[in-house]
Amino acid sequence: QQQVKQSPQSLIVQKGGISIINCAYENTAFDYFPWYQQFPGKGPALLIAIRPDVSEKKEGRFTISFNKSAKQFSLHIMDSQPGDSATYFCAHINAGGTSYGKLTFGQGTILTVHP
Amino acid sequence: NAGVTQTPKFQVLKTGQSMTLQCAQDMNHEYMSWYRQDPGMGLRLIHYSVGAGITDQGEVPNGYNVSRSTTEDFPLRLLSAAPSQTSVYFCASSYQRGGYEQYFGPGTRLTVT
Repeated sequence: QQQVKQSPQSLIVQKGGISIINCAYENTAFDYFPWYQQFPGKGPALLIAIRPDVSEKKEGRFTISFNKSAKQFSLHIMDSQPGDSATYFCAHINAGGTSYGKLTFGQGTILTVHP
Repeated sequence: NAGVTQTPKFQVLKTGQSMTLQCAQDMNHEYMSWYRQDPGMGLRLIHYSVGAGITDQGEVPNGYNVSRSTTEDFPLRLLSAAPSQTSVYFCASSYQRGGYEQYFGPGTRLTVT
């Protein structure tokens, strides 16, 4: 069973600060590494995604960086805002085999941004 | 488009009761799936379907059944509810298998006493 290990479990950041969430994966073929954002009482929604042949992807204040040799990828939220307070999940999509297309999630990080 | 809809939003069951969680999508997506979300465990895949008439087990299928008679609907049945099935359940869909963008419903919070 492939796993994604996410840290930290919770994170408190002041407004304007940088939020960093890390994920580690096991050695297998992946296609995409998406990040999902979930607000209380809502379902998760795709935030940003990266392919393993790209080392970094930026969308606005959100940046994913990917380190293939270390088998790690991370989400950076620059200039964090109270509206960013949510639970963030890293994930991966299996590229092939019997688990093709399976979306596996990390354990989640509860981000709180204080004003 | 309504996207992915789920009913009910909340449900309380007694141990041993059965029920069906409803899920529907109006985006003509081939791939649909059910997840359960528990604190500190992320979202775990229960069952999934790659098209009408085709379903398969995910990571935690025991105690749950699914069927997919139409593209739009993917109900999840709890056969004999147990307290361990207390969780928040999410239905999701994507255009095709392997699509990393899955669209999630608002969830059903289930409590089994």
